[in-house]
Amino acid sequence: DAGVTQSPTHLIKTRGQQVTLRCSPISGHKSVSWYQQVLGQGPQFIFQYYEKEERGRGNFPDRFSARQFPNYSSELNVNALLLGDSALYLCASSRGTVNEKLFFGSGTQLSVL
Amino acid sequence: AQSVAQPEDQVNVAEGNPLTVKCTYSVSGNPYLFWYVQYPNRGLQFLLKYITGDNLVKGSYGFEAEFNKSQTSFHLKKPSALVSDSALYFCAVRRITGGGNKLTFGTGTQLKVEL
Repeated sequence: DAGVTQSPTHLIKTRGQQVTLRCSPISGHKSVSWYQQVLGQGPQFIFQYYEKEERGRGNFPDRFSARQFPNYSSELNVNALLLGDSALYLCASSRGTVNEKLFFGSGTQLSVL
Repeated sequence: AQSVAQPEDQVNVAEGNPLTVKCTYSVSGNPYLFWYVQYPNRGLQFLLKYITGDNLVKGSYGFEAEFNKSQTSFHLKKPSALVSDSALYFCAVRRITGGGNKLTFGTGTQLKVEL
């Protein structure tokens, strides 16, 4: 079975632009979570979606938004990009929301210039 | 609030020697604890988890971790290190109830295993 897939793998944007990152979970997984990993730090939780509903939100500004589609894939949108948004964005999937281990994708490396 | 501390930025060990990567946590209620490993330019890979039961948890690639409630620690161990174990290791915590999939990660410990 395919693992969690994310696209694109790398992205370069300029300040003020908008970006959309995509994630396809493992087949059979209904929950998708997004994490931001800044260089030298651990991943920080951004969102969790389960069955197309938001189940959790981290301490990120409203410029960050996400959604989940009927096929359980997900998009993360970031508006009005700032230099500080440069990071590795990780998507993780799991079967459910309780006591589940997360399976991570390889991430999208976003560079904001 | 929940938090994780990994006090060592880097751990160096010779191949064949035992290794320990330290982790302490803070969470309200009982914890759900994880170790993940990250290789360069890759996502995180699950190593092991603790939710309840035996304090010594065995995981992938010969790794194990010991849960110590009184010291709020969850140190990662391996009896004999391999050069291929060199990677970035993250400890993570969440509450057992009401935590969803919101993991709180430590800042990571770079493990370097040398010949």
